[in-house]
Amino acid sequence: DAGVTQSPTHLIKTRGQHVTLRCSPISGHKSVSWYQQVLGQGPQFIFQYYEKEERGRGNFPDRFSARQFPNYSSELNVNALLLGDSALYLCASSLVRTGHNEQFFGPGTRLTVL
Amino acid sequence: KNEVEQSPQNLTAQEGEFITINCSYSVGISALHWLQQHPGGGIVSLFMLSSGKKKHGRLIATINIQEKHSSLHITASHPRDSAVYICACWEGAQKLVFGQGTRLTINP
Repeated sequence: DAGVTQSPTHLIKTRGQHVTLRCSPISGHKSVSWYQQVLGQGPQFIFQYYEKEERGRGNFPDRFSARQFPNYSSELNVNALLLGDSALYLCASSLVRTGHNEQFFGPGTRLTVL
Repeated sequence: KNEVEQSPQNLTAQEGEFITINCSYSVGISALHWLQQHPGGGIVSLFMLSSGKKKHGRLIATINIQEKHSSLHITASHPRDSAVYICACWEGAQKLVFGQGTRLTINP
């Protein structure tokens, strides 16, 4: 079975640009969460989506948005990129929305903003 | 102060040594994860626990809910165990709060 997949693996953008990151969950998983991991730190929660609806949001500005599609894949969008948005963006999927289900992480997308 | 604190931040040991990584949290949690992250970024879930103790191979995780503390132990450590180990706590149903990670290096 395929695990969680993310695309692209690496991305270089300049300040002010927009970026879209994509995530495909494990087949049958309906919940997708997004995390930002700045170099040398632990990941930070950005969003959780379940059944195509936003169920949770971390402390990130409105420049960050996401959506989940009928096939449960998800996109993370970041507008007006700042240098500080440079990070590894991780997607994780789980079977259900509640916190007692194991999360399976994708390999991440490494975003560099110049 | 971070809601999830890990210690030590860095740990270097010789092959075969018994390893302990600690995690203390201040948030009210429903469950706690121990995660492993190798260079390149991929994260693997090692354990999820809400009480007691779990064991998988050479890895053991314990949690004390009253003391808000969890430990990850590695017995007979091996160079392939070298990685960053991250403690993460479920705060409610949506939000996973992560520690800053412990970088473990096992020398042959």
